[in-house]
Amino acid sequence: AQSVTQPDIHITVSEGASLELRCNYSYGATPYLFWYVQSPGQGLQLLLKYFSGDTLVQGIKGFEAEFKRSQSSFNLRKPSVHWSDAAEYFCAVVGIGTASKLTFGTGTRLQVTL
Amino acid sequence: DTAVSQTPKYLVTQMGNDKSIKCEQNLGHDTMYWYKQDSKKFLKIMFSYNNKELIINETVPNRFSPKSPDKAHLNLHINSLELGDSAVYFCASSPSEGEQYFGPGTRLTVT
Repeated sequence: AQSVTQPDIHITVSEGASLELRCNYSYGATPYLFWYVQSPGQGLQLLLKYFSGDTLVQGIKGFEAEFKRSQSSFNLRKPSVHWSDAAEYFCAVVGIGTASKLTFGTGTRLQVTL
Repeated sequence: DTAVSQTPKYLVTQMGNDKSIKCEQNLGHDTMYWYKQDSKKFLKIMFSYNNKELIINETVPNRFSPKSPDKAHLNLHINSLELGDSAVYFCASSPSEGEQYFGPGTRLTVT
């Protein structure tokens, strides 16, 4: 069965600082990988996805993520955080052939200080 | 031009009641889902339908019954509501194998 670990429950960064949110997955093969963001009281918005090909993927709002097969990781990065990036971030995995069953990590809450 | 919509946005009801949440998508996707987000923000899939056919049914009490009248709609009916059903319920849709797009959520409070 697939699983996702987000080791950081809560991260605080200053506006303008760089950000890296960690995500590790467990699956027997290469899965599809996603990052979603949830602002308070809102639904989930897709930031970026990895299906295959280039292991560095670009997303919306200036985010990027790098798939590292050897580390089973898919960390999310942003070079300069804005106050509006404060939200909950979820890493998710779909095992190929599992009827698109998304398995989410427990989320990382990002706080941005001015 | 809302992609995935849910109604209602908020639902407050008493234990023992029966309630429904509706979901519609205008993206032309084949697959729709229901997820539950608990008070700790943990998201877990409940059901998935592909072209009106149930393909994922996680360990969910029988009190929860999804219904898909057509490819664009997936409703969730809950019988005999319990306190533990209080959560945010998200509908989502996707092409057969692809990224999922989520609705705004329905916050259900059972008193």
